[in-house]
This record gives sequence, C-alpha cells and structure tokens, in this order.
Amino acid sequence: DAKTTQPPSMDCAEGRAANLPCNHSTISGNEYVYWYRQIHSQGPQYIIHGLKNNETNEMASLIITEDRKSSTLILPHATLRDTAVYYCIVRVGIQGAQKLVFGQGTRLTINP
Amino acid sequence: GAGVSQSPSNKVTEKGKDVELRCDPISGHTALYWYRQRLGQGLEFLIYFQGNSAPDKSGLPSDRFSAERTGESVSTLTIQRTQQEDSAVYLCASSLFGANSGNTIYFGEGSWLTVV
Repeated sequence: DAKTTQPPSMDCAEGRAANLPCNHSTISGNEYVYWYRQIHSQGPQYIIHGLKNNETNEMASLIITEDRKSSTLILPHATLRDTAVYYCIVRVGIQGAQKLVFGQGTRLTINP
Repeated sequence: GAGVSQSPSNKVTEKGKDVELRCDPISGHTALYWYRQRLGQGLEFLIYFQGNSAPDKSGLPSDRFSAERTGESVSTLTIQRTQQEDSAVYLCASSLFGANSGNTIYFGEGSWLTVV
C-alpha cells in the first residue's frame, strides 16, 4: 500500500501557483519524498525529490515540514500543460527492496 | 538514446498467445523496474532488479508473468497465455542504485498491450 495520502483532485487558474499537498506521516528517517506527474497516458515524468530540506528546480519547489510528515509541491506559475495526475511517493521496503509504490495521486486541472 | 527505451510501443495479441516486452534502461543504471497500468488506474509494481541481487518479484500477479535481466542492461517481461485482463500499458523505469540514496528513477513511455 502507498504510504502517502493526497487529495483526489484540485483545480488551479492558469498563471497562479498550484500547491499540491501530500501527507506521509509514517515516513522513515532515510526515506525520500518523490514527486512525479503523468500527462494523459504518457510515462510518469520526474519532477523533484527531497529528504529534509526544501528543494527547488526549474519545474517546481518542494516544501517538507520539519517533522517530515507532510510536504507540498508548488508549481509557481501553472500553465495549461501542467494539467496532469501528480503522484507523491515515499520509498518503501527494506535493504535491497527499492520499489516506488504509487497511490492514486492528485488530478490537477489548470483552468484558463 | 538518453532515456529509457521500450519496445514494442504497441502490441495487439490474441488471447492465449505469449508476448515479450523489452526494456533498455539508461546506460549505467543498475536498478530496473517494471510497472503495469490498466486504463484509468494507478501504477502497479511488478518486479525490481538491482545488480546481481535476487529480484523483488513480489508484484508479479501470476505465474504467467516472468521477467529477466541480462547483467545491468536489457530486461524482458514475458506474459504467457495472455488474458484480456492483461491489457494495460507496461512501464519500465531505471535508476542508479537505490532511490534511498536519492537517485532519480526515470520512466520509459511504456508498451501498450491489447489482448483481444
């Protein structure tokens, strides 16, 4: 089972910041938080990942709470092309078992 | 190429036939994953390979499914005696060793399988 909880859907106006929340209250100390998105039947696209500190790249920012039990993905200026299903993932398993477990994700719709 | 490559991109097969799906990971990536995604559903983990370690096969849905990997390169997912419920996109991904070390996992575009 996925170790994360996300809202099933969200809407955001074009040009505004999209803030996607994720709860991962059972995260372990050495587990990273990853974000991927999937645009209509394409392969999942990597967005960003982090361990403890906030991270920023050309696509998005990742804000992780101090207790690491939740995080927020921020798309600073959403465009129509950002409409997709966004997955928040925490690595699960023991040494040697490194699979990603996907939940149902958040379907983000950017409205013109 | 620079990314994860999968073939065929589309496959239509008759019920009961065997199919093979191929994945070429990014060069140098020691970890390789297979996932399945049925239409409108989430991604289901199937199998994970890491170097010479025994693969994690915990996600394979039945003994009709098997996968092999030659060293740290190509992997083949085989589905025997295909059933209509096997229709899905099969996604392959690869990374440097282990995401616990923060290594990004990259996905291919998938192989669409339709069983008729």
